[in-house]
Amino acid sequence: EAQVTQNPRYLITVTGKKLTVTCSQNMNHEYMSWYRQDPGLGLRQIYYSMNVEVTDKGDVPEGYKVSRKEKRNFPLILESPSPNQTSLYFCASSLYDGQPQHFGDGTRLSIL
Amino acid sequence: GQQLNQSPQSMFIQEGEDVSMNCTSSSIFNTWLWYKQDPGEGPVLLIALYKAGELTSNGRLTAQFGITRKDSFLNISASIPSDVGIYFCAGLPPTSGTYKYIFGTGTRLKVLA
Repeated sequence: EAQVTQNPRYLITVTGKKLTVTCSQNMNHEYMSWYRQDPGLGLRQIYYSMNVEVTDKGDVPEGYKVSRKEKRNFPLILESPSPNQTSLYFCASSLYDGQPQHFGDGTRLSIL
Repeated sequence: GQQLNQSPQSMFIQEGEDVSMNCTSSSIFNTWLWYKQDPGEGPVLLIALYKAGELTSNGRLTAQFGITRKDSFLNISASIPSDVGIYFCAGLPPTSGTYKYIFGTGTRLKVLA
């Protein structure tokens, strides 16, 4: 089944404790992206990747890092999480840049 | 940056009623997408529109790419309880560089049986 898989689905952690949210897609998509979803603000793009080893900032990249060492995986790294990063995070992928994106089921992060 | 205005923000309707929602922008888009998000899940693509004036259906859902390229509409006919959820529009503006979709803030639909 074609899908985008995120882990974990839920995480409660404390300020400053590094965490990684993994994202994997099995559709051989070139384009992958991370979004955060906050009430009243819609989906805002954090980082995106056009292909392996090609990443760039989205609209709200501060406090986040990403890497794309393999085509299928696009982890989101919070080196020193802060409470304002409490949010619902979505990974998405598409065959190419500009194509409709397929979304994972989300990761709800709570930073205390 | 560019914004999409999506309305209404929320709506309660009776089962069996038709539903309309729309997205508008002050600038033009080349592509319009409509997604649905169920509680605890990610957005799922419903309809993609690629040409001004295009009208596309997916079951009881019909979406249109506005002729001005600044808006799009989604209609749901004969709503049923499983239509409950949040509906998002997304637009792709013209660009000479990287493509970046702009997302609306969603219409929360509640269906009363």
